[in-house]
Amino acid sequence: QSALTQPASVSGSPGQPITISCTGANSDVGSHTSVSWYQQHPGKAPKLMIFDVHYRPSGVSDRFSGSKSGNTASLTISGLQAEDEADYYCASCSSTTYLVFGGGTTLTVL
Amino acid sequence: EVQLLESGGGLVQPGGSLRLSCAASGFNFKTYAMTWVRKAPGKGLEWVSAISAGGDTTYYAESVKGRFTISRDNSRSTLSLQMNSLRAEDTALYYCAKDHQGVLPDQFDSWGQGTLVTVSS
Repeated sequence: QSALTQPASVSGSPGQPITISCTGANSDVGSHTSVSWYQQHPGKAPKLMIFDVHYRPSGVSDRFSGSKSGNTASLTISGLQAEDEADYYCASCSSTTYLVFGGGTTLTVL
Repeated sequence: EVQLLESGGGLVQPGGSLRLSCAASGFNFKTYAMTWVRKAPGKGLEWVSAISAGGDTTYYAESVKGRFTISRDNSRSTLSLQMNSLRAEDTALYYCAKDHQGVLPDQFDSWGQGTLVTVSS
């Protein structure tokens, strides 16, 4: 199955905002509202950060926000903090493969 | 507190079989869809398989279809993944995860720590 396309890496300074994109197709991101984002620190299990495109689970900082336009979803982190340094993955339901993840983005806080 | 504990991983030869289990606690297991996701060394997350809350509907990635079988025992709050005809490319850390909203397995809010599967001769 083809993964959703994410940049391999992004970086930013503390306090700055960053955005991670997730590009799919009409069969997944473009036609489904079940788009989610996960944070994974090294050696840890993934953590759900955003579901249904832009909703935050209880306990997730409001510095994290999600959006979607056409076939591209985005995760924005405002006011970067050192603990945000991690890998981030998007995921979407798909009409062809049921569920697909993005390739992952490594966020570095400078 | 939701807890998911995977077991059953190990070293297996190509063509061999393994059965993974995930023991769930801290939530009403029978009302939530569940999934297996894997992470190969140096690679990203890959969705493997999912099952509805009642166990009547299952979903598989193309890469494992016909070789893996997902199942659940709601009386024992246990999720399983039977893996046959294993290949080197199945080597990964396998996570079980709980769906966030229950019915359809599409977004996952609780994850286990994973069980490592290594396929090698």
